[in-house]
Amino acid sequence: GAVVSQHPSRVICKSGTSVKIECRSLDFQATTMFWYRQFPKQSLMLMATSNEGSKATYEQGVEKDKFLINHASLTLSTLTVTSAHPEDSSFYICSANREAEQFFGPGTRLTVL
Amino acid sequence: QKEVEQNSGPLSVPEGAIASLNCTYSDRGSQSFFWYRQYSGKSPELIMFIYSNGDKEDGRFTAQLNKASQYVSLLIRDSQPSDSATYLCAVNVDDMRFGAGTRLTVKP
Repeated sequence: GAVVSQHPSRVICKSGTSVKIECRSLDFQATTMFWYRQFPKQSLMLMATSNEGSKATYEQGVEKDKFLINHASLTLSTLTVTSAHPEDSSFYICSANREAEQFFGPGTRLTVL
Repeated sequence: QKEVEQNSGPLSVPEGAIASLNCTYSDRGSQSFFWYRQYSGKSPELIMFIYSNGDKEDGRFTAQLNKASQYVSLLIRDSQPSDSATYLCAVNVDDMRFGAGTRLTVKP
């Protein structure tokens, strides 16, 4: 199956710092990638849809200035959590579509102290 | 009403039994339906997808779709302890919407 990677897998940072998470499709080109957030014991919540070469589409309630998304190429999307706070601590997962299937990255666990 | 609803669980079955996971969705325009398995602390992995009414079988897994009732289910035959995980139902209209997940425990 297709492979989607994320980096880093785990990050711990101080409150107020910015954290960048990378999502790569390793063996296919993805014009669209998705960013999800998952709090403990809860389901995935779609944050935004990342479109190559254009602005991301954010879900209602997601602050676009806080969660910056850049989809600069067909294989790379980045999510930057700006001025992170403890309430941003979560598991962030990206995914990419290839044909009719959606492939998930391994996730990034963010802990903001 | 939530877009995708799953039975709350947790669901516990003995090893070798059939586990039945259910999911209902609200958008009649939904065209594709997915079941993901997620182990604790890991990303979801796709188990099955189904587009047409009826049953679709893959090994020990059977997905069942009834668009008239807006219902999709996943049956796991001969359940194994390694099947213990949270199972997420997802429905795709314009983008993917996930249910809250059902936690399954298979007891040896």
